[in-house]
Amino acid sequence: DAKTTQPPSMDCAEGRAANLPCNHSTISGNEYVYWYRQIHSQGPQYIIHGLKNNETNEMASLIITEDRKSSTLILPHATLRDTAVYYCIVRVYNTDKLIFGTGTRLQVFP
Amino acid sequence: DTGVSQNPRHKITKRGQNVTFRCDPISEHNRLYWYRQTLGQGPEFLTYFQNEAQLEKSRLLSDRFSAERPKGSFSTLEIQRTEQGDSAMYLCASSLMMATNTEAFFGQGTRLTVV
Repeated sequence: DAKTTQPPSMDCAEGRAANLPCNHSTISGNEYVYWYRQIHSQGPQYIIHGLKNNETNEMASLIITEDRKSSTLILPHATLRDTAVYYCIVRVYNTDKLIFGTGTRLQVFP
Repeated sequence: DTGVSQNPRHKITKRGQNVTFRCDPISEHNRLYWYRQTLGQGPEFLTYFQNEAQLEKSRLLSDRFSAERPKGSFSTLEIQRTEQGDSAMYLCASSLMMATNTEAFFGQGTRLTVV
């Protein structure tokens, strides 16, 4: 079973920041938080991952709370092409196996 | 290298027939994963390989399903005696095993429709 819970859907205006929350209260100390997204009919696309510290790359930022029980994915300037299902995943230690939940469907509107 | 490649992209088959899908991972990646995704759900883990060894199989992988990775490169997923419930997107992913963290790259999937 997935170790994460996410809101089923969110809206965001184009050009604004999209903040997608995720709860992972049972995460173990050596498990990473990964974010993927899936645009309709395509394979999931890697976005970012982290363990304890906040992370940033060219796509997004990941903020992980100090107790590691939750995190937030931030898309700083959402575009229409960011409309997708976003999955927050806890990666099982030592197997790289990803256990997906049902994700958050982000709709970016003009 | 153009990433993870899956063939065919679409497959329609009659119930009871056997089907085989192929996955070509990113060339230097030693781990390969198969997932299944039904409509409205996230991908579900089926099995994974490290090189040619199949290290884990989900309970979702019934006896009708078999996966191979004979030379540690490409992999095949075969479904025997297909059922309508097998209709889904079958996704392959690969990664380079590292000590701490690495991302898995997914292919575009094979969409199976059993009629």
